[in-house]
Amino acid sequence: DTAVSQTPKYLVTQMGNDKSIKCEQNLGHDTMYWYKQDSKKFLKIMFSYNNKELIINETVPNRFSPKSPDKAHLNLHINSLELGDSAVYFCASSQDGAGFTEAFFGQGTRLTVV
Amino acid sequence: KQEVTQIPAALSVPEGENLVLNCSFTDSAIYNLQWFRQDPGKGLTSLLLIQSSQREQTSGRLNASLDKSSGRSTLYIAASQPGDSATYLCAAETGGFKTIFGAGTRLFVKA
Repeated sequence: DTAVSQTPKYLVTQMGNDKSIKCEQNLGHDTMYWYKQDSKKFLKIMFSYNNKELIINETVPNRFSPKSPDKAHLNLHINSLELGDSAVYFCASSQDGAGFTEAFFGQGTRLTVV
Repeated sequence: KQEVTQIPAALSVPEGENLVLNCSFTDSAIYNLQWFRQDPGKGLTSLLLIQSSQREQTSGRLNASLDKSSGRSTLYIAASQPGDSATYLCAAETGGFKTIFGAGTRLFVKA
């Protein structure tokens, strides 16, 4: 029973397309995150949501738009995809964002823009 | 601005050896420090979480320490096994729902 699940696992698309990645957590956590892992394996936070409210937007182009329909879901929509968007995107969740509980990660979505 | 650095970037050891992975952070005002393991093509698995008020945490053959004053954390792996081969990441939560990751240490344990 996967705690944090992302779909799809792999996504190959052409430049200029619009795509979405979905994330769901069944842990009852209040906080969800999106991270981007680049080709050098460096993980960087993109967004944090707490109780469906956007908390952090870390200098991410506005082509990236997260949407949280409820506490258990945080989807990532990307418009006008560019080659540089190719990366692995990880969704994560934690009970709170105040540092008292560990974060759980999804398996990642490998996005390839061609 | 918080920066997290991990040394070494890569490490290869024979099976059975005890080893230490290092993590340093520039801003000591952290809520917690978490160690993760990432297997190739997989997500991150949480190994240990050390709260800012704690000095260390242990789980099986793993022991993580935290020294906020010096901005350092170490992950100690005892009696390493080939199955320990993975990338190990440390991450510092700075509050405000923000976690900063190091670049990771790639560990290879030779049988």
